[in-house]
Amino acid sequence: VQLVESGGGLVQPGGSLRLSCAASGFTFSSYSMIWVRQAPGKGLEWISYINRSGSTIYYADSVKGRFTISRDNAKDSLYLQIDSLRDEDTAVYYCARERWGDYWGQGTQVTVSS
Amino acid sequence: DIQMTQSPSSLSASVGDRVTITCRASQSISSYLNWFQQKPGKAPKVLIYAASSLQSGVPSRFSGSGSGTDFTLTINSLQPEDLATYYCQQIFTLPWTFGQGTKVEIK
Repeated sequence: VQLVESGGGLVQPGGSLRLSCAASGFTFSSYSMIWVRQAPGKGLEWISYINRSGSTIYYADSVKGRFTISRDNAKDSLYLQIDSLRDEDTAVYYCARERWGDYWGQGTQVTVSS
Repeated sequence: DIQMTQSPSSLSASVGDRVTITCRASQSISSYLNWFQQKPGKAPKVLIYAASSLQSGVPSRFSGSGSGTDFTLTINSLQPEDLATYYCQQIFTLPWTFGQGTKVEIK
């Protein structure tokens, strides 16, 4: 099982990014997926969940209306569209398999700064 | 939201010691409790799921117990490679929340 995040970077407040998570080593379409983030020196924060088909989606209140989770089972990929970025969105963003996170990627850094 | 409170926030122990970390939920979460280990600069790794089930590949010196609101992670015979921050997480009710973490240092 391997999960590889990409798409992070430095962005100005109010900007947008699209994070990707490429999955391999398992049948991606059979598993739900989550995004979790970790601000510098802080703990873990669950931010979003998507079920196997993409028909059920949940968000943390802190990102609802600004972040959009999606998946492409044909491409074994998970995505997180992040809009209207704020300073407090600066964090390492991890994708993980299943709601209980049995496998995690290495993370991608998102830095929001002017 | 369900608040998860871990104690202690940090601890220092010697190799071979038995270490216990507790996690308390602000309301009952049945056994929907996971424990994660995060080594410096690395992604978290699940150790225990459903409060007491050992994830495949995790050394047997790690164990979890509890249900309802009070949970415990025990490390029997602490090893140098157990230097890490440990987090509990409830997945009983949205939003799925983590404890603040317990940093384990080796004396």
